[in-house]
Amino acid sequence: DQQVKQNSPSLSVQEGRISILNCDYTNSMFDYFLWYKKYPAEGPTFLISISSIKDKNEDGRFTVFLNKSAKHLSLHIVPSQPGDSAVYFCAASALPTSGTYKYIFGTGTRLKVLA
Amino acid sequence: KAGVTQTPRYLIKTRGQQVTLSCSPISGHRSVSWYQQTPGQGLQFLFEYFSETQRNKGNFPGRFSGRQFSNSRSEMNVSTLELGDSALYLCASTDPRSTDTQYFGPGTRLTVL
Repeated sequence: DQQVKQNSPSLSVQEGRISILNCDYTNSMFDYFLWYKKYPAEGPTFLISISSIKDKNEDGRFTVFLNKSAKHLSLHIVPSQPGDSAVYFCAASALPTSGTYKYIFGTGTRLKVLA
Repeated sequence: KAGVTQTPRYLIKTRGQQVTLSCSPISGHRSVSWYQQTPGQGLQFLFEYFSETQRNKGNFPGRFSGRQFSNSRSEMNVSTLELGDSALYLCASTDPRSTDTQYFGPGTRLTVL
């Protein structure tokens, strides 16, 4: 049972335009969401996060939106640059009763920004 | 600060064999998590170790095990390898000042023939 879903395996966007990557989740207990970017032959790198008490978090060209009622989050990249071409994973976690957060990842969306 | 390192980077094994992967976290990070990445399943959580104790566990069979040493280095072991174990195995260490952020290593690409 995939609790975190990224239904678009790939996305192509023209340089300078907006990239919108989507993520849906099923577990209403999730209260923290993250986006990671992954280049080939490298591990994922943290991009941006959002807590469930917010509906938007912005960091430079990257903005994450959270719609709790729809159990949906999205990552907006504006403007898109060729260097943004990578696989993007969204991840969700719930406040643990013990230990650190246990992250559930989506299957990833491959973004290609065309020059 | 050096990042998370994983060895080896690539590994080829045959069915039935066992394998041990190693992960060295960022200095000062005491929590190490392991993930399996496959094309269709994305990143799946295997387990997390903190101060030499397994603190969280994902839904993987007992063939997958791990341990952590006093210097926070961690090893993951897979016994009786199956073809479906072919994947990229990623290790991540957690910043103790910000438990929300994990730093990933480059991964070990395991191919089971």
